[in-house]
Amino acid sequence: DIQMTQSPSTLSASVGDRVTITCRPSQSISDWLAWFQQKPGRAPKLLIYKASVLQSGVPSRFSGSISVTEFTLTISSLQPDDFATYYCQQYNSYPWTFGQGTKVEIK
Amino acid sequence: EVQLVESGGGLVKPGGSLRISCAASGFMFSTYTMNWVRQSPERGLEWVSSISSAGSYTHYTDSLKGRFTVSRDNAKTSLYLDITSVRADDTAVYYCVREETTGWFDSWGQGARVIVSS
Repeated sequence: DIQMTQSPSTLSASVGDRVTITCRPSQSISDWLAWFQQKPGRAPKLLIYKASVLQSGVPSRFSGSISVTEFTLTISSLQPDDFATYYCQQYNSYPWTFGQGTKVEIK
Repeated sequence: EVQLVESGGGLVKPGGSLRISCAASGFMFSTYTMNWVRQSPERGLEWVSSISSAGSYTHYTDSLKGRFTVSRDNAKTSLYLDITSVRADDTAVYYCVREETTGWFDSWGQGARVIVSS
């Protein structure tokens, strides 16, 4: 199985901050990676697919990128609605696997 | 609007069985691969199973093979997950998830909570 390692596990930030979350797969997944946002009591919501493609309706302050073997989710200017937990997920090969999550908290 | 509505969760005794259902609407259900994903505090988000659009192909996470069975009824636009010999570590919220053509999960149901306890 492909292990997805996210970092950090928790991140404290203020409104307006630039936030970066990383995800490292245990083996190559090409660009078959998605990012999700989840708020308490709600289902995950797709933000980005194919590593860098913004899902329709998602604000442009969210972006995704690849650097060598590491994937990054960036929020350019954190907004109050962005405090949530974020997950990466690979869909390169079965079984699909998720990162353990990054909780973005208010500083 | 895509809607996925799970039902059938609840309290189940260890060793028992249950069926979770997902009613789909707002899209051409018969043309999409569908998935089940579960979430618990202990295990995080865990992909459980997928089923192809016509139901011809299924995939499962290895540790759940044999106890979990995914099925669908395209005429009723419904997805099902049957779980047998339930264990305490099956306690989780179970999500019905639509898979876009090239593999990403673009729509999720609100989830069905399953609690396994005597």
